[in-house]
Amino acid sequence: GGIITQTPKFLIGQEGQKLTLKCQQNFNHDTMYWYRQDSGKGLRLIYYSITENDLQKGDLSEGYDASREKKSSFSLTVTSAQKNEMAVFLCASSIYAETLYFGSGTRLTVL
Amino acid sequence: TQTVSQSDAHVTVFEGDSVELRCNYSYGGSIYLSWYIQHHGHGLQFLLKYYSGNPVVQGVNGFEAEFSKSDSSFHLRKASVHWSDSAVYFCAVSPSSNTNKVVFGTGTRLQVLP
Repeated sequence: GGIITQTPKFLIGQEGQKLTLKCQQNFNHDTMYWYRQDSGKGLRLIYYSITENDLQKGDLSEGYDASREKKSSFSLTVTSAQKNEMAVFLCASSIYAETLYFGSGTRLTVL
Repeated sequence: TQTVSQSDAHVTVFEGDSVELRCNYSYGGSIYLSWYIQHHGHGLQFLLKYYSGNPVVQGVNGFEAEFSKSDSSFHLRKASVHWSDSAVYFCAVSPSSNTNKVVFGTGTRLQVLP
């Protein structure tokens, strides 16, 4: 079996700071995803990537950048953290969207 | 663009009860439908999916879901719940024209009381 590893597990930032979240998968999956999870709002798709160096915007891409330099890794950058922002960012991977496999998340708090 | 709606934010039942968690979607074409479960502090785990064929699909741990094209629904059911089924359940949809764009609902928190 494979695993999705998200780092860091907890991220505390300052308002206006650029923050980077990382995700690694060893499933050898083609597609990777970044979702944001806010209480009561479910998961919202930020970016996804169907192969190395590909990027596709989701419904919530404003304020974020992403990078897929290798098949196994997918990073997400919050370009300017918003004060009092709190959310969980979930990374996932899949083959042809058959089944998504998720990491355990990065919890972001902005002071 | 596909959308998915889970009308119940919270559902509370007793252990041994049956439960149905509702999911409705909006999309004009062919669609993939899935259910995922999230236990507190963890990522989501796949339960089951539907694309075509028998509208009733079986998943893990006794869960099943039924697709209805006329109702644009994909409701999740379990005949007899256990306390360990307490979790948040998410419905997800992706169009067959772009199966990589997977959109999730807002989730239903299921609480199973002893």
